[in-house]
Amino acid sequence: AQSVTQPDIHITVSEGASLELRCNYSYGATPYLFWYVQSPGQGLQLLLKYFSGDTLVQGIKGFEAEFKRSQSSFNLRKPSVHWSDAAEYFCAVGSLIQGAQKLVFGQGTRLTINP
Amino acid sequence: GAGVSQSPSNKVTEKGKDVELRCDPISGHTALYWYRQSLGQGLEFLIYFQGNSAPDKSGLPSDRFSAERTGGSVSTLTIQRTQQEDSAVYLCASSPSGTRVFFGPGTRLTVL
Repeated sequence: AQSVTQPDIHITVSEGASLELRCNYSYGATPYLFWYVQSPGQGLQLLLKYFSGDTLVQGIKGFEAEFKRSQSSFNLRKPSVHWSDAAEYFCAVGSLIQGAQKLVFGQGTRLTINP
Repeated sequence: GAGVSQSPSNKVTEKGKDVELRCDPISGHTALYWYRQSLGQGLEFLIYFQGNSAPDKSGLPSDRFSAERTGGSVSTLTIQRTQQEDSAVYLCASSPSGTRVFFGPGTRLTVL
């Protein structure tokens, strides 16, 4: 069965500092991988996705993630965070079944930004 | 263009009552999904519909939960005889051809 682990429940970084959020997955085949962000009171917004090809994927808002098959990881990074990045971040693995993308989410990492 | 919309945005009900939550997917999206987000369980898959295929109901937590999708568009999630543990945010999502999944704002359900 698929599963996703986000080891860090809560991370605090200073504005302007670099950020890395960890994600490990368990999946039998080549996974579809996603990072979503959820701001307070908002729905889930897709930051980036990996399906195949280049293992370093670029997303919106200056985020990127790197797929490492050997480590079963898909960590999210940003070189310099902004106060508006404070939110909850979810990593997900998907399985494509008859054209539908069934997602399994990690527990989420809450990001706090210090001024 | 319009995104996924859900109604109501908030619902407060009494234990034992039935509730219906509505989802309007993005026009033309063939797949529709329901997820539940709660403090103790995180984001859980409930059910999805894809075209004319039989829905995948494997995530529904009990037989009090059901969902239908009419005309390949609007979907309703029904919870019968609500319990306090049903309190959560219910998220609907849709996707075209199974790549990118778009989420709605959710319905916050509170069972008193």
